[in-house]
Amino acid sequence: GAVVSQHPSWVICKSGTSVKIECRSLDFQATTMFWYRQFPKQSLMLMATSNEGSKATYEQGVEKDKFLINHASLTLSTLTVTSAHPEDSSFYICSAREAGTSGLDTQYFGPGTRLTVL
Amino acid sequence: AQSVAQPEDQVNVAEGNPLTVKCTYSVSGNPYLFWYVQYPNRGLQFLLKYITGDNLVKGSYGFEAEFNKSQTSFHLKKPSALVSDSALYFCAVREPPGYALNFGKGTSLLVTP
Repeated sequence: GAVVSQHPSWVICKSGTSVKIECRSLDFQATTMFWYRQFPKQSLMLMATSNEGSKATYEQGVEKDKFLINHASLTLSTLTVTSAHPEDSSFYICSAREAGTSGLDTQYFGPGTRLTVL
Repeated sequence: AQSVAQPEDQVNVAEGNPLTVKCTYSVSGNPYLFWYVQYPNRGLQFLLKYITGDNLVKGSYGFEAEFNKSQTSFHLKKPSALVSDSALYFCAVREPPGYALNFGKGTSLLVTP
């Protein structure tokens, strides 16, 4: 099946620093990638939709200047958490939709990145 | 607006017994429905999906789900549970033409030996 990777798998940073998380589709091209956030024992909350070559679409309540998303190629999207604070600590998960498919597509998820801000 | 409800926070099943994890949905059009499984500190793994066609959908690891339009349900089932099935299960819905998934809160499945 399709594989999506994320790097790093976990990161610890100091408050005020920025952290970049990469999401890669390894064996397919992804027209669209999605970024989710998951708090402990809770569901996934969609943060933004990232389309290759265009600006990301953010969900209501998500600060686009704080969570910078870049989808520069069909296999890579990055999420940068700028000026991170402890409340940004969370599990960040990306997913990718394969390019060229019809509406009958499936999203494939990365393994997630655990961010801890001290 | 679309939404998904998983009424049970946790389901406990003895190994070898059948299991059911419930999901109901609410959409204005025809739904695309999905089940994913998440193991601790891991991402989501795709189990199965319903788009159209046969209401009984078979997926990975012996799981299946039945789409019931009149009850707006998409319950996940397995005839014989394994201890290794213990994980967090998420039901999700997508309402075309959008591609984003709306997830339920998740149901923790515990299969005991």
